[in-house]
Amino acid sequence: SQQGEEDPQALSIQEGENATMNCSYKTSINNLQWYRQNSGRGLVHLILIRSNEREKHSGRLRVTLDTSKKSSSLLITASRAADTASYFCATDEYSGAGSYQLTFGKGTKLSVIP
Amino acid sequence: GAGVSQSPSNKVTEKGKDVELRCDPISGHTALYWYRQSLGQGLEFLIYFQGNSAPDKSGLPSDRFSAERTGGSVSTLTIQRTQQEDSAVYLCASSHYLNRGYRGYTFGSGTRLTVV
Repeated sequence: SQQGEEDPQALSIQEGENATMNCSYKTSINNLQWYRQNSGRGLVHLILIRSNEREKHSGRLRVTLDTSKKSSSLLITASRAADTASYFCATDEYSGAGSYQLTFGKGTKLSVIP
Repeated sequence: GAGVSQSPSNKVTEKGKDVELRCDPISGHTALYWYRQSLGQGLEFLIYFQGNSAPDKSGLPSDRFSAERTGGSVSTLTIQRTQQEDSAVYLCASSHYLNRGYRGYTFGSGTRLTVV
C-alpha cells in the first residue's frame, strides 16, 4: 500500500530556480527519507529526517517534517539540469514481528530546463 | 562489495517460465529488502530479510513468488510460471540493522524483467 504520496506528480522548472516537492503520509513513522531515481533504475538515498526532527539540510537540499500534519517537503535550491530525475519520499515504519518496512510514494518527476 | 549488486541487469523470459533474480548486498548489512517497480509507478514492497529469516513476507503478490537468503548475504527472488504482469524492475536494497534509522538504505541498480 502507498504510504507517502508526493505532490506534484510532475514539476518543470528553469535552471537556477528552486524546486519544492511535498509528501504526505498516514501512519506513525520512525523516520522519513527522500530518494532520487534516474532512468527508472536504482534509487539513491538523499536525506533522512527522524520523527523528532523538524528540519534538516544537506548541501542544496532542505527537508522539513511536520508530524502533526503528517507531511514533509523537499526543497532543492538553485536547481541544475543534472537534478532532473524522479524523487520519492519513503516512510520507515515498524510493521510488526521485528520487521521494519520502507514504504514509498509514487514520486515526483522533476525536469530542470537548462 | 562496495555497493548492492543485482544480476542479471535485464532478463527477457517467455510466459510460463521460471526466473531467478539475485541480490548481493553490502558486506555486513543484515537487513535486505526486495521491491518491485512497474513502469512509471512507485516501489511496491515484496519481502524483508533480517539475517536469513524473513519476518515479513506480506508483500509477495502470489505463491508463485518466493525468496531466500543464505549465509546472511546473497538473496534470490524466484518467480515461477511467470506472467506478463510480472514485468517490472525488481530492486534490492540493504542496510545495517543498527544504521537503518540513520543512513537509509542502499539500492542496487535493479533487474528489468520482461515477460513475453
